[in-house]
Amino acid sequence: DVKVTQSSRYLVKRTGEKVFLECVQDMDHENMFWYRQDPGLGLRLIYFSYDVKMKEKGDIPEGYSVSREKKERFSLILESASTNQTSMYLCASSWDRGDSPLHFGNGTRLTVT
Amino acid sequence: GENVEQHPSTLSVQEGDSAVIKCTYSDSASNYFPWYKQELGKRPQLIIDIRSNVGEKKDQRIAVTLNKTAKHFSLHITETQPEDSAVYFCAAPRRGGGADGLTFGKGTHLIIQP
Repeated sequence: DVKVTQSSRYLVKRTGEKVFLECVQDMDHENMFWYRQDPGLGLRLIYFSYDVKMKEKGDIPEGYSVSREKKERFSLILESASTNQTSMYLCASSWDRGDSPLHFGNGTRLTVT
Repeated sequence: GENVEQHPSTLSVQEGDSAVIKCTYSDSASNYFPWYKQELGKRPQLIIDIRSNVGEKKDQRIAVTLNKTAKHFSLHITETQPEDSAVYFCAAPRRGGGADGLTFGKGTHLIIQP
């Protein structure tokens, strides 16, 4: 069974802080994704990566960056956290880029005060 | 890019009755349509998916139908049970040909009334 692990379940940060969200998958998937989930808005794609050191912007990349130094690890970075980035962040992986199932982590609930 | 609309946003049904959730998509090149279930406090999990070469797929009490001409697909749950209470999301490839992740609908909160 695919396992996607996010390093923190809950995180509280202050405005202006640099924030790192970590995600690791154990199925040798090429593709990894970061989504943001907000009530009434569903899941929105922030960034994705289809190979080590490769990254692509999703639908809402502003204020975020990513890093993929190893195949199994995909990090989401908030360069300067703001209160409107308070949200649930979900990492996912898949063996194909768009027409295969996504396997999600448990999510990180980030609060920026 | 793909645009996915999902209705209704909330659906309340009596236990034992059927539930239907509908989604429409905009890109006629889209070829893969998954449905995810998210229970309270848990991760979204795939429950069923369909590819564009078939019109219907069933798995026990759940089924998905696809109408490519009208560009819509639906989730059907029969004989609903309390454990079916959750938020359900439909999705389609973000760029119709199957690349670059999935675009999700905004979700349907399904409530099963005892």
